[in-house]
Amino acid sequence: GAGVSQSPSNKVTEKGKDVELRCDPISGHTALYWYRQSLGQGLEFLIYFQGNSAPDKSGLPSDRFSAERTGGSVSTLTIQRTQQEDSAVYLCASSLALQVIYEQYFGPGTRLTVT
Amino acid sequence: AQTVTQSQPEMSVQEAETVTLSCTYDTSESDYYLFWYKQPPSRQMILVIRQEAYKQQNATENRFSVNFQKAAKSFSLKISDSQLGDAAMYFCAYRSLDFGNEKLTFGTGTRLTIIP
Repeated sequence: GAGVSQSPSNKVTEKGKDVELRCDPISGHTALYWYRQSLGQGLEFLIYFQGNSAPDKSGLPSDRFSAERTGGSVSTLTIQRTQQEDSAVYLCASSLALQVIYEQYFGPGTRLTVT
Repeated sequence: AQTVTQSQPEMSVQEAETVTLSCTYDTSESDYYLFWYKQPPSRQMILVIRQEAYKQQNATENRFSVNFQKAAKSFSLKISDSQLGDAAMYFCAYRSLDFGNEKLTFGTGTRLTIIP
């Protein structure tokens, strides 16, 4: 079956512009996660959704970052007024539910470059 | 807060040999899960193996096995009979069982090179 998909695969934007990153989870997966992978770093947790609700937004690096999920499916991560330090690979994952016994399946990520 | 440390940024191994990747973590919790993920150049993270902290028996998946030392907070990954397809970044990750803490906490990764 189809896995987690993300679009765009790569995005180059100018400093100060807004960007939207999209994640399509595996059908039927109620839990969705966003992570950021900066060069030479591990993955940094940003936010997770259970259905359309995001109980914990404390992982978002600043108020320029926001995320939403509609219909319990597609999620969008928006970065406003992008800065060079936002350059990273943004990875999305989904799982059947939040419980740890359910594996998180990752998408291929979006590589964001801010010039 | 939990932390995960991978002290080997890069490792290499001859094809068909065995290699061990190290991971240590810090937590005050008694129950948790540990994972090893593989990230090939395609960027897609793939689960390699998982270990429940309450299980004393080390997890194994074909050529992959772990050495879980709970008291030492150590969780190393052993890859036997290394193959060219094993070349990738490997990340160790921790997950709490606490409600409201559903994230994975990752180490900084180890890049594994397989020498033909």
